[in-house]
Amino acid sequence: DTEVTQTPKHLVMGMTNKKSLKCEQHMGHRAMYWYKQKAKKPPELMFVYSYEKLSINESVPSRFSPECPNSSLLNLHLHALQPEDSALYLCASSQTSGLGGRGYGYTFGSGTRLTVV
Amino acid sequence: RKEVEQDPGPFNVPEGATVAFNCTYSNSASQSFFWYRQDCRKEPKLLMSVYSSGNEDGRFTAQLNRASQYISLLIRDSKLSDSATYLCVVNLGKTSYDKVIFGPGTSLSVIP
Repeated sequence: DTEVTQTPKHLVMGMTNKKSLKCEQHMGHRAMYWYKQKAKKPPELMFVYSYEKLSINESVPSRFSPECPNSSLLNLHLHALQPEDSALYLCASSQTSGLGGRGYGYTFGSGTRLTVV
Repeated sequence: RKEVEQDPGPFNVPEGATVAFNCTYSNSASQSFFWYRQDCRKEPKLLMSVYSSGNEDGRFTAQLNRASQYISLLIRDSKLSDSATYLCVVNLGKTSYDKVIFGPGTSLSVIP
């Protein structure tokens, strides 16, 4: 299995709703990532989990709350979002070789296209 | 200076043309390098890794020049299906996760 699976593929939510995005991989990758991508821009890093621990939070507003229940799953909980949060949310995973090791690049999921109304 | 810079594009080329994309990176500690391709409204997909000795995969050739901190991608005999945005990606690789920096991307349109 060489895929990263994201659900749902599309999500429309109101500003008062609570929803969650889900990401799953079974490649044994120990690093997982959430990215946000706006149209015609490169992906912007939001969070990094390494060995199920949050390693990076790129100053993301608290209305986005990540969770890593186990090494295969990554969630992003959404609450009280704003219309400007509408974007493609990408999950990625990577094999890691430890400190000082060569990076292997990402495998991306197909993303969740989020619209906040 | 941005950490990863690419040709601004867009590139509009006829089918069968050869096209080259350039990318520069600012962090000399960068460990590994990749080209990703992203189709409209889709996720980025790994096109190829870039090795120090240069590497080729069919019509695609990637080169790395560490001294100049420069990466290139050459596409020969362009096909309509090559139309996409090409993202240069640099990995610092010094942590237990991939610390990856994306370039802004270069858009390619191959026209009949």
